Amino acid sequence: EVKLVESGGGLVQPGRSLKLSCAASGFSFNDYWMGWVRQAPGKGLEWIGEINQDSSTINYTPSLKDKFTISRDNAQNTLYLQMSKLGSEDTAIYYCASAGVNYGGMEDWGQGVMVTVSS
Amino acid sequence: DIQMTQSPPSLSASLGDKVTITCQTSQNINKYIAWYQQKPGKAPRLLIGFTSRLVSGIPSRFSGSGSGRDYSFSISNVESEDIASYYCLQYDNSPWTFGGGTKLELK
Repeated sequence: EVKLVESGGGLVQPGRSLKLSCAASGFSFNDYWMGWVRQAPGKGLEWIGEINQDSSTINYTPSLKDKFTISRDNAQNTLYLQMSKLGSEDTAIYYCASAGVNYGGMEDWGQGVMVTVSS
Repeated sequence: DIQMTQSPPSLSASLGDKVTITCQTSQNINKYIAWYQQKPGKAPRLLIGFTSRLVSGIPSRFSGSGSGRDYSFSISNVESEDIASYYCLQYDNSPWTFGGGTKLELK
């Protein structure tokens, strides 16, 4: 069974940094593109970016490219999202997801982790 | 970036109705569109990939179609468990982009 578990969220002050983790199990992590999606309270889904199997290709949505960094550790089956210069607009639930090979898009999702940016 | 215009933003239906949601893209996405269901407090769930490919285990009352810039998603015979928000996602070009969402409510 595919399992993705995010961690590292919480309350953070404006201007600070935070690093989220996503622990993967139940599939061959190093064979899959992985990505992050976020959802502000009461709003829609926003694609953050994706990383390929060996980290040689990383794509971001342009508005977040200078603030967020996606990385992965295949030995630890873990995906990361480093967030910097956080503002209130970054308050959201952050989901990690595996990119699909059977159906396309983002196929399997974690349960999400809440990040609240507030003083 | 490819823009996704999803409509309607909200939809009211009776049990047993057929409902249709559309997504129009700003350029041809070669059928690389997926549809998701999201219930309150839950992660999105993939229902359909590549325009019309139903995910294993998803009921056949869900369907998708389209090509080029115009895509649609339908639920025939709406059931109470289908009350949720629905999103389209284009994955033809990076950055991938979601539609604004459609909230399905019971009439």
